[in-house]
Amino acid sequence: DVKVTQSSRYLVKRTGEKVFLECVQDMDHENMFWYRQDPGLGLRLIYFSYDVKMKEKGDIPEGYSVSREKKERFSLILESASTNQTSMYLCASSFHRGFSNEQFFGPGTRLTVL
Amino acid sequence: SQQGEEDPQALSIQEGENATMNCSYKTSINNLQWYRQNSGRGLVHLILIRSNEREKHSGRLRVTLDTSKKSSSLLITASRAADTASYFCATDAGANSKLTFGKGITLSVRP
Repeated sequence: DVKVTQSSRYLVKRTGEKVFLECVQDMDHENMFWYRQDPGLGLRLIYFSYDVKMKEKGDIPEGYSVSREKKERFSLILESASTNQTSMYLCASSFHRGFSNEQFFGPGTRLTVL
Repeated sequence: SQQGEEDPQALSIQEGENATMNCSYKTSINNLQWYRQNSGRGLVHLILIRSNEREKHSGRLRVTLDTSKKSSSLLITASRAADTASYFCATDAGANSKLTFGKGITLSVRP
């Protein structure tokens, strides 16, 4: 079975801190995604990557950056956390384009910024 | 931009009844997918239907797609309390395997 893991289920940080959210997948997927999920807004795409060292902005990239140094790992970075970044963060991965692009999700990280 | 819009926003039914959820979208798509999310967890893929397909089944799930109306429906037959979750439709319209998710439908199945 495909497994997508995220480094933390719950995280509490203070305003201004640098925050790293890690995501690892074990199925050699090309594509990886970071979403945030907020009540009433659904899932919104922050960044995605379809290859190592490649990244593409999603719908709401402001305040975030990403890193993909290895194929299996995709990190989301909040350079200076703010309270409006309190949210559930979901990582996902999928096969290369041209295949079924079903996305496999991690369990999520609930981040609270105080 | 939000592509899929689910309807209704919330649905409450009795165990054993069927649940029908709808999704509408705005632009042409390659495929449409349905996902389930249990409270506080990640999403789980349920079913994918391609733009050239009209109906697909998987166990108690039946999905239809009407590209002329730009809409899809998800039917869960003989619902169980364990079906209580949020359900999302997601559309794929581009080349980067990027999906656009709707806001979700909250389904409650009363035992």
